[in-house]
Amino acid sequence: EIVMTQSPATLSVSPGESATLSCRASQSVSSNLAWYQQKPGQAPRLLIYGASTRATGFPARFSGSGSGTEFTLTISSLQSEDFAVYYCQQYNDWWTFGQGTKVEIK
Amino acid sequence: QLQLQESGPGLVKPSETLSLTCTVSGDSISNSNFYWGWIRQPPGKGLEWIGSGYYSGSAYYNSSLKTRVTISVDTSKNQVSLRLSSVTAADTAVYYCATIISNPKTGRPQYFQHWGQGTLVTVSS
Repeated sequence: EIVMTQSPATLSVSPGESATLSCRASQSVSSNLAWYQQKPGQAPRLLIYGASTRATGFPARFSGSGSGTEFTLTISSLQSEDFAVYYCQQYNDWWTFGQGTKVEIK
Repeated sequence: QLQLQESGPGLVKPSETLSLTCTVSGDSISNSNFYWGWIRQPPGKGLEWIGSGYYSGSAYYNSSLKTRVTISVDTSKNQVSLRLSSVTAADTAVYYCATIISNPKTGRPQYFQHWGQGTLVTVSS
């Protein structure tokens, strides 16, 4: 099973600042990597797929990068609606999720 | 617009079988572009893939759950179902169904594109 490790567990950021979230795979997943955003009481929502393609409805301040085993989600100029938990997921070999990074207001 | 709605008992007794249904609207469950997945999330914890099904009847399961899980697709009702047997308190979670978009070139399932709102199932006597 491919293990996905996210860091940090919690990221405290002031509105208007940027946030960088990391995700590491225990073996190469090529670009078969997705990011999901989850707000309290809601289902996860697809944010990024193919490591860097933004899903419908998300603004350009969200960007994803990486391939192989190292991936990054960057949120520039954080808005109030961006504070949430973010999960990475590999879909190269079945599906496994990282444990999540909570982006909270500083 | 494609929508998913999970339904089923909110309370299941230990050792019994958890049964949930996901009703799909806005598209056909026989659409070859989609697989259908079940994911769960224990309270305050992360996401775990349970298994996935295809309209043809194929099903794929998380190795940690495969001895207890059955996923089936009912094309006549546009529904996908989940059965999890011999449940314990550790199976208490919000259960989600989701569409899995397939790669148009290879047909391989990829990421989870649409999610239902989820349903909380508590295992308790």
